[in-house]
Order: sequence, then structure tokens, then C-alpha cells
Amino acid sequence: DQQVKQNSPSLSVQEGRISILNCDYTNSMFDYFLWYKKYPAEGPTFLISISSIKDKNEDGRFTVFLNKSAKHLSLHIVPSQPGDSAVYFCVGNAGNMLTFGGGTRLMVKP
Amino acid sequence: EPEVTQTPSHQVTQMGQEVILRCVPISNHLYFYWYRQILGQKVEFLVSFYNNEISEKSEIFDDQFSVERPDGSNFTLKIRSTKLEDSAMYFCASRTLGTDTQYFGPGTRLTVL
Repeated sequence: DQQVKQNSPSLSVQEGRISILNCDYTNSMFDYFLWYKKYPAEGPTFLISISSIKDKNEDGRFTVFLNKSAKHLSLHIVPSQPGDSAVYFCVGNAGNMLTFGGGTRLMVKP
Repeated sequence: EPEVTQTPSHQVTQMGQEVILRCVPISNHLYFYWYRQILGQKVEFLVSFYNNEISEKSEIFDDQFSVERPDGSNFTLKIRSTKLEDSAMYFCASRTLGTDTQYFGPGTRLTVL
């Protein structure tokens, strides 16, 4: 079951540069998408979300883009900071259930 | 800032034993969830709970699992007879009315020996 797919298991970026995390989905019933980040030994922490009727949502350094025709999302972090180093999950919401992608481990190097 | 809490942080049990994982959702939230993450795998939905009853459950959530809100603050997940393959991180989440954003607890690591 690969309803939400994050094809890059890891990403390494220099501090101050842009981080772009990508996500593809197959379930057309998703009405809402979320990004969570997760540090080791902690639960997922909500980062930013986007409704399926929008194509962009911005919150400070974080911007999420949705291309519904391509069934593709991306999360942009700019500028990246070392504290952003974590696993990022792309998540689709349909019918009160969240479906997680496999995650991308982001490493921001000082 | 209000947060979801879970106890214990780590539970070790013998195969066949019953375990109860506990969660205290954020106080004004009305929807409650359990997810699990087996080591090296994706986070998977188990069950959602609203108005004192299950609203959705996945095929993972079989008769060995049950959920309960025994009082106004706790939300529990019971596994009646644990199996080795139940070893995982179990996350509780909650959300309030009018938003789709679920807030997660820190998780309970369940180890079945």
C-alpha cells in the first residue's frame, strides 16, 4: 500500500540553503495534507498543512506546494537551519484517518 | 502549550499477556486516535474514537485490540493477548472540532518477548 510515497529517504543540505522535500500520492480522496517532523524518541510534531483546494500555504520559513493534477506535494524550508534536522513525514487525510509516507531524513549541515 | 501525554514510555511484556497503553489527549479535544510504527516501517492508523465510540478502524485493529475512554481525561488502548509482531511504537493523537490537524503524543514503545 503506497498511497503516500516519499521517494527520497534522506536529504542533506547546507545551513542557509533551501531544503525541498517531495511527496507523491495516489489516493484522490485525500482532502487535506499535512507535514509532520519527528525527532528520535519523540512523536510526530505538526508542521504545516494544506487543503486540497489550495496550491500553496506558507508559514514562516516553511511553504507547502500542492500540484493536484500531478498528485504531488513539496515542502520548502528556507533558510534551512541545523535544528531542522529530523525525519519529515508527508501525510494525507481522508475520512478522519491519516496516511503517512515513509519519511525523509533531512540533515542540515552547519 | 497543551500536549498529548502517554504512559508508559516503554513497556516490556511476555507474549500472550495483556497490555494497556494510556494516553491523556489535549483537554478540549474531542477526537482520539491510535497509530503504530513497527521498526523500519511506516506509521499506520489503527483506530479513531469520537463520542465514546469507534468511528474508524483499520484491518490491523482486530479483536485483540480495544479502546476505551474510562474517564474524562484518559484514552486507553488494550491488547488482550500480545504477539511478537505487536512490538512497535504506539502513538496516541487527538484533535479538536473544526480542524483536521491531529496532535501526537511522544509514543509508547511496546516490546513483546
